[in-house]
Amino acid sequence: GAGVSQTPSNKVTEKGKYVELRCDPISGHTALYWYRQSLGQGPEFLIYFQGTGAADDSGLPNDRFFAVRPEGSVSTLKIQRTERGDSAVYLCASSLGQGEDTEAFFGQGTRLTVV
Amino acid sequence: AQSVSQHNHHVILSEAASLELGCNYSYGGTVNLFWYVQYPGQHLQLLLKYFSGDPLVKGIKGFEAEFIKSKFSFNLRKPSVQWSDTAEYFCAVNPASNYQLIWGAGTKLIIKP
Repeated sequence: GAGVSQTPSNKVTEKGKYVELRCDPISGHTALYWYRQSLGQGPEFLIYFQGTGAADDSGLPNDRFFAVRPEGSVSTLKIQRTERGDSAVYLCASSLGQGEDTEAFFGQGTRLTVV
Repeated sequence: AQSVSQHNHHVILSEAASLELGCNYSYGGTVNLFWYVQYPGQHLQLLLKYFSGDPLVKGIKGFEAEFIKSKFSFNLRKPSVQWSDTAEYFCAVNPASNYQLIWGAGTKLIIKP
C-alpha cells in the first residue's frame, strides 16, 4: 500500500489479557517507530527500529511491553497483562532513515481500550 | 528533560482570520523541527519541517513557520485561515543527535465558517 497500515484500528480487551498490534510500514522504509498517544496529549516515543533490530527501546514503559520486527518490515507491538492505564492510541510511523530523511509517515493508529 | 510546549490547547477563529500557534522547546543543541497536522478522522501528516538554512520555512496549504533560535521557538503561521484548516496541530522536535520526535500536547484549531 501507499501508506503505513495499522491493524486492528480498534481493540477492546479485558484487564490482564495479552494483545498484539500490527504495523505495516511503507515499502523500503528502514526506520520504524512506535508511539503512544493518550487523550489530550501528544505522542510519546516507545521504540525505534532500524532494520530488524530495536535501536532504542528506552520509551517502553515496563517489561510488559515488547516489540519485534523480524524481517525488517512488519512490526508487532506486544503488551502482556494489560492494565487500564495502557488504554491509548498506539501510533506507528516509518521513514527512509535519518537526517533529512527523518520525515516520519504515520499510520491511523490502533485505539486500545482496556476494560 | 527535553520538552516541547504549545501555548494554546484550543483556538477558535473565524474564516479569513490570521493564525499563529506558538511552540517552544527546551534543548540547547542542534534540533530539527516539525509541525504535523491531524484532520478529524485522519492520521498525522507533515505540514512543514526545518533542518537548516532559511529559518522561515514554507509548508503545504499556505502554512509557514519561523525558527527563532534565541527564543527556542518555532511558531506556525497562516495569514488567512479556511474552514478546512479545522484540525489538531502538533509541534515536534528531533534533537539532531537523536531520532526520537519529542511532541507538544497539540493545539485544537476550530475555524468557524
